[in-house]
Amino acid sequence: DAGVTQSPTHLIKTRGQQVTLRCSPKSGHDTVSWYQQALGQGPQFIFQYYEEEERQRGNFPDRFSGHQFPNYSSELNVNALLLGDSALYLCASSYDRGGWDSPLHFGNGTRLTVT
Amino acid sequence: GQQLNQSPQSMFIQEGEDVSMNCTSSSIFNTWLWYKQDPGEGPVLLIALYKAGELTSNGRLTAQFGITRKDSFLNISASIPSDVGIYFCAGREDNYQLIWGAGTKLIIKP
Repeated sequence: DAGVTQSPTHLIKTRGQQVTLRCSPKSGHDTVSWYQQALGQGPQFIFQYYEEEERQRGNFPDRFSGHQFPNYSSELNVNALLLGDSALYLCASSYDRGGWDSPLHFGNGTRLTVT
Repeated sequence: GQQLNQSPQSMFIQEGEDVSMNCTSSSIFNTWLWYKQDPGEGPVLLIALYKAGELTSNGRLTAQFGITRKDSFLNISASIPSDVGIYFCAGREDNYQLIWGAGTKLIIKP
């Protein structure tokens, strides 16, 4: 049973560029959340997708956008990259029918470096 | 962004010792979660707490949901080398996002 998978594992981009990160949820899960984790910090909630729509959003600018596909996989897009966007981006999946407090299962993240 | 107050920031202990860490918040949470993150990996859920006063164990790990709903602690008994890593607390209100602490780094001296 595959867990949450993210790609790529590492990425280097230049300021001003755009990036797309991908996530496949754990089998049986229908909800995907994205988190940004800066070095030495806890994760910060970016947004959550359910039924192909953004259900809730954290305190991140519109440069951060996402998408969820019919197979429940998801993408995170970041436009006009800034140096401060360098971080580990974590995807977490859960099963909505388990309630809003159903456990999150995390992938191993994508390490984004902006130069 | 908002974060919980998690302490201590790091701990150096001997193998076999007990470990205690805690989290406090200015907000009331309905759920407290404890995760462990190893280098190069995503956080893994250790214990979930859903009720004020709840005390839950998972092997050598024990966590409690504070009665005020603004704090939680995690204890690890008889630490072993594989306990090394970063432990995070996370709280949730009546919505979908988790609010996280900055982590407690556990280092075990052989």
